[in-house]
Amino acid sequence: DGGITQSPKYLFRKEGQNVTLSCEQNLNHDAMYWYRQDPGQGLRLIYYSQIVNDFQKGDIAEGYSVSREKKESFPLTVTSAQKNPTAFYLCASRLWAANTEAFFGQGTRLTVV
Amino acid sequence: GESVGLHLPTLSVQEGDNSIINCAYSNSASDYFIWYKQESGKGPQFIIDIRSNMDKRQGQRVTVLLNKTVKHLSLQIAATQPGDSAVYFCAENFEGAQKLVFGQGTRLTINP
Repeated sequence: DGGITQSPKYLFRKEGQNVTLSCEQNLNHDAMYWYRQDPGQGLRLIYYSQIVNDFQKGDIAEGYSVSREKKESFPLTVTSAQKNPTAFYLCASRLWAANTEAFFGQGTRLTVV
Repeated sequence: GESVGLHLPTLSVQEGDNSIINCAYSNSASDYFIWYKQESGKGPQFIIDIRSNMDKRQGQRVTVLLNKTVKHLSLQIAATQPGDSAVYFCAENFEGAQKLVFGQGTRLTINP
């Protein structure tokens, strides 16, 4: 089955620890995205990548880091510098052509205690 | 920046009625727009899209209208059903880039 997979679905971490969220797609999509969603709010763009080995900051990149070593994978690290990391994280991907829909994973709910 | 304390606008309609969800977008140079539906605890699902050279597009039970003059999008859902209850987001693509930015969202509730 083609799709975009985020793992794990739920993640718990202690405050001060870095944590990496996985996002993998087998759709042969060029662009990948990470969004953060807080309860009752919209999606805010953290980072996005248009091609391998290249990525750009979104609107709320502080405290996060990403890598894009493979076309299929775009992991997100939530660092200890992120002041309020507890949130629902969504990954998406789409073809290079900008006028195409983005496909979303099912999200990872991160809780930092 | 942060939007702490901001809550989604809500819209309640009777089952079978039509609903209209509105969205104001931010960038006059945006060239492509998408409407998504998100159910609780899940990722957003594509509903319909529209390019900036169009002002209307229709799908199955849904219509999107684009008014570039006032930077406004609307999603019309005909004959609403209980399964339409969800949060709806518009997204805009910044011209010439892959940057895809979402609007605030609207929670739609269908009353039986």
